[in-house]
Amino acid sequence: ETGVTQSPTHLIKTRGQQVTLRCSSQSGHNTVSWYQQALGQGPQFIFQYYREEENGRGNFPPRFSGLQFPNYSSELNVNALELDDSALYLCASSHASSGPSTDTQYFGPGTRLTVL
Amino acid sequence: KQEVTQIPAALSVPEGENLVLNCSFTDSAIYNLQWFRQDPGKGLTSLLLIQSSQREQTSGRLNASLDKSSGRSTLYIAASQPGDSATYLCAVDHLDSSYKLIFGSGTRLLVRP
Repeated sequence: ETGVTQSPTHLIKTRGQQVTLRCSSQSGHNTVSWYQQALGQGPQFIFQYYREEENGRGNFPPRFSGLQFPNYSSELNVNALELDDSALYLCASSHASSGPSTDTQYFGPGTRLTVL
Repeated sequence: KQEVTQIPAALSVPEGENLVLNCSFTDSAIYNLQWFRQDPGKGLTSLLLIQSSQREQTSGRLNASLDKSSGRSTLYIAASQPGDSATYLCAVDHLDSSYKLIFGSGTRLLVRP
């Protein structure tokens, strides 16, 4: 049990809609990363937040956006949903004492998004 | 551009067998390499993390090795059990961007009773 939770577990949307996914980091963690995992593929990095600031972004369009809150919970927002956005969305949290890193990241169970 | 490849894509073995999963990466300038386990429809569980200065890490029946110069890592599972059935993913953290993991597509392992 990692202590990282995500909501909702499953979600069905239609093309063009907007969606917000939520992640609650493990206590004491100040860094959160979001990944998209298509069926049969490895996760792809979307972006990372460190102390409420975006700290790096993968090859995803601007309609993918995020927030990290003072309590280090996080949101992933996706606008204008496309069929290819159907995937498992994973968040991962960690504690970085001197800058973000990928050491000992704890992943949540994911949100399965289906776009029809 | 860093690319991570895992071979084989799928593997089926009888219970009790020792097995090796392979991971290769194209750029040796990595910060660390991690092996994860993923059960169907679930999140990732970190199994082993190898820093770039290390050659191997062990946890129970698992042993992971790293050869940076050749861009390869192996995950050795001893005395496999049906409960080991899952997808195993390796991921590298590149030195130029030590905040994101680059994953392979995984190896789906089935251990038959």
